[in-house]
Amino acid sequence: DSGVTQTPKHLITATGQRVTLRCSPRSGDLSVYWYQQSLDQGLQFLIQYYNGEERAKGNILERFSAQQFPDLHSELNLSSLELGDSALYFCASSATGTSGRAGTDTQYFGPGTRLTVL
Amino acid sequence: ELKVEQNPLFLSMQEGKNYTIYCNYSTTSDRLYWYRQDPGKSLESLFVLLSNGAVKQEGRLMASLDTKARLSTLHITAAVHDLSATYFCAVVPLNTGNQFYFGTGTSLTVIP
Repeated sequence: DSGVTQTPKHLITATGQRVTLRCSPRSGDLSVYWYQQSLDQGLQFLIQYYNGEERAKGNILERFSAQQFPDLHSELNLSSLELGDSALYFCASSATGTSGRAGTDTQYFGPGTRLTVL
Repeated sequence: ELKVEQNPLFLSMQEGKNYTIYCNYSTTSDRLYWYRQDPGKSLESLFVLLSNGAVKQEGRLMASLDTKARLSTLHITAAVHDLSATYFCAVVPLNTGNQFYFGTGTSLTVIP
């Protein structure tokens, strides 16, 4: 158990809908990262937050948004869903990540949310 | 376009044998990560390599980084069945902040 929790585990929805994925980092970790894993596109980095602020942005679509709250949990919002958004969404947390470059510390991954868009 | 290439994509090896997985990348970077993913599971961080010539070892796995050659290797020594998994490398380019770029993964099967 990594200490990172994600809810829900599974989500089935229809095209055009909006969903919210939630991630709670390990106790004490200030950084949260979001990743998408699909058969088509492999593993992709979406976005990183550090202590409530966006730190890095990857291949995140404009239909997607994220935020990190004062209690450090994070939410990934996916809207106007398309079939191609079906994927596993992982979050990870790490203790730091405050410097100008990516964190040098270990990332701990949550179990993931499997999103199916029908 | 930035590329992170792993080879081989699939690897089947016998227990007790040694093998190396390669991760080539097409950008300037001094930061490379290795992860493991068991079937149907999440990812697990294995190594963070932070400088040219960095070498890290954990059990039967050893990772190294050559930033000049833009190459990282993950060496498996005396493989055991428990090492069967998919291994990913990821690179963070010098000029893109903290963006991670992942390789395609190497699916390793260790045969008794």
